[in-house]
Amino acid sequence: ETGVTQSPTHLIKTRGQQVTLRCSSQSGHNTVSWYQQALGQGPQFIFQYYREEENGRGNFPPRFSGLQFPNYSSELNVNALELDDSALYLCASSSPGQDSGNTIYFGEGSWLTVV
Amino acid sequence: SQQGEEDPQALSIQEGENATMNCSYKTSINNLQWYRQNSGRGLVHLILIRSNEREKHSGRLRVTLDTSKKSSSLLITASRAADTASYFCATDANTGNQFYFGTGTSLTVIP
Repeated sequence: ETGVTQSPTHLIKTRGQQVTLRCSSQSGHNTVSWYQQALGQGPQFIFQYYREEENGRGNFPPRFSGLQFPNYSSELNVNALELDDSALYLCASSSPGQDSGNTIYFGEGSWLTVV
Repeated sequence: SQQGEEDPQALSIQEGENATMNCSYKTSINNLQWYRQNSGRGLVHLILIRSNEREKHSGRLRVTLDTSKKSSSLLITASRAADTASYFCATDANTGNQFYFGTGTSLTVIP
């Protein structure tokens, strides 16, 4: 158990729809990152939030957006869903500066299928 | 392109044997981490090695880092069926906040 929880675990959406995925970070962690993992691939960095501000973004279009709340929980929003958005979406929390360094702890992920 | 690349892509061994998988990366790093992923589930952190470290142990795991060759290896000794999973290396490419993963090594341990 990493203490990082994600919801929902599975969902199916239609192309063009919008989706919101949620993440609660590990207690004491102020940084949340989101990753997309397509089948058979490694996770790809979407973006990171630190103290409610975006703190780095990977090569993803603006229709991928996020929020971080004062309790450090986070949301990932994807608009205008495309078939290629079908993937496992992973949330990871960390607390840079602690003895653990930049170790990131992952949740179990949200499986998104776009049909 | 992804920063880390694991080799081999797939590895099948008998229970009790050792498993070695390698990771190569492209740019300088602050640290390198290894993760395990059981099918369809989240990633479990195994070990972190900093750029100024050359070797690190954790239980049956041994990780080495060669920054001159931009490579790392993960050795799992006395493998068990429960070690069957995909293994990924992740590097921070000196960004401090973005981690790059390879496509992973799929390990199968046959009982």
